[in-house]
Amino acid sequence: AQKVTQAQTEISVVEKEDVTLDCVYETRDTTYYLFWYKQPPSGELVFLIRRNSFDEQNEISGRYSWNFQKSTSSFNFTITASQVVDSAVYFCALSAGNQGGKLIFGQGTELSVKP
Amino acid sequence: ETGVTQTPRHLVMGMTNKKSLKCEQHLGHNAMYWYKQSAKKPLELMFVYNFKEQTENNSVPSRFSPECPNSSHLFLHLHTLQPEDSALYLCASSQPTGSETQYFGPGTRLLVL
Repeated sequence: AQKVTQAQTEISVVEKEDVTLDCVYETRDTTYYLFWYKQPPSGELVFLIRRNSFDEQNEISGRYSWNFQKSTSSFNFTITASQVVDSAVYFCALSAGNQGGKLIFGQGTELSVKP
Repeated sequence: ETGVTQTPRHLVMGMTNKKSLKCEQHLGHNAMYWYKQSAKKPLELMFVYNFKEQTENNSVPSRFSPECPNSSHLFLHLHTLQPEDSALYLCASSQPTGSETQYFGPGTRLLVL
């Protein structure tokens, strides 16, 4: 069975703090893809990153970085020097290679960055 | 216009009304999706279309009726809904080949009275 767990329901930080959002996944497939999406109050899910199961290299994009570790089935997301505009709900999602593109979403983590 | 658009953005309807949600994608994709997002719940996949053909119906009640006339447009026809159907309905599109990235529209916030 495919499953994504985001244990942190809500996180509140003060601007300029670093924050890490956790994502743990379960799958028996050897080929799979992991995603992070951001959902601001407007509602639209904004794509942030896609990573395949064969690429464990960490990635950095500006203030965003992702740590993919197959050994712990985790794909954590860190925001460095957080800003108020980072306030949103963040979703981690999994798509297995043989599921025809079906995305399994975690429950989401609501991040609140206070000035 | 670019990306994925959805209309209307907000909708209030009674349980006996019939309404339709519209989704249009300008990304050249051939797969389109409907998701339901209820408060405090994860996104639920409702329907998947690949090249205009429905390839997944995730046990959705028949009061929701999707239509995909072409690869760029997707509709969700609503009739005799229940208050528990109130939610954010999100449309997405992608290339149909396996686990391609899905791009989402802004959603329609539906309230059923």
